[in-house]
Amino acid sequence: GQQLNQSPQSMFIQEGEDVSMNCTSSSIFNTWLWYKQDPGEGPVLLIALYKAGELTSNGRLTAQFGITRKDSFLNISASIPSDVGIYFCAGQLGGGSNYKLTFGKGTLLTVNP
Amino acid sequence: NAGVMQNPRHLVRRRGQEARLRCSPVKGHSHVYWYRQLPEEGLKFMVYLQKENIIDESGMPKERFSAEFPKEGPSILRIQQVVRGDSAAYFCASSPISDTTGELFFGEGSRLTVL
Repeated sequence: GQQLNQSPQSMFIQEGEDVSMNCTSSSIFNTWLWYKQDPGEGPVLLIALYKAGELTSNGRLTAQFGITRKDSFLNISASIPSDVGIYFCAGQLGGGSNYKLTFGKGTLLTVNP
Repeated sequence: NAGVMQNPRHLVRRRGQEARLRCSPVKGHSHVYWYRQLPEEGLKFMVYLQKENIIDESGMPKERFSAEFPKEGPSILRIQQVVRGDSAAYFCASSPISDTTGELFFGEGSRLTVL
């Protein structure tokens, strides 16, 4: 099956720093999604990307859908303590199976105030 | 989490017991999806159900696991004779249409611990 390689596994940064994380895949995806999961909670959708090359922002978050459709990155600018959590990328294949998301293993972000 | 309700939030079972996890979709949604998250892993698809029908169970273990979404009431994920490896967080999502693109919102999950 499809696999997503997400990196880095974890990051420790100071408040105010910018953060970048990415996902790569051996397969092409039609949609890339980025979720954030707080401890003990469910994943919350942050950004959805629908077209190759698309660059989308949501506040301090920016994500891009790679041209090859096999990768995506997420940037967080001017990090704050509440950015702490696990960030997951996920891909959708389309073709009637959009419900079957493939998730990366997550990037654990720690922000030191 | 768009109103998907899951219970219990936490469940502890001894090996060999049964676990029942419930998911109430967003009002008006007739499509439900169950995912499992093992420790330090991403979520993995288990099963897709519509009212009274299992549409895709390709991610479900072949034994001990079953799911239903009755005409009335919540969707149920049932795990019989639990083993330690079943310890995980189980998440449910729902949607109003079947081939939803990018619009998969998850509940807060049910965390199963098998002693």
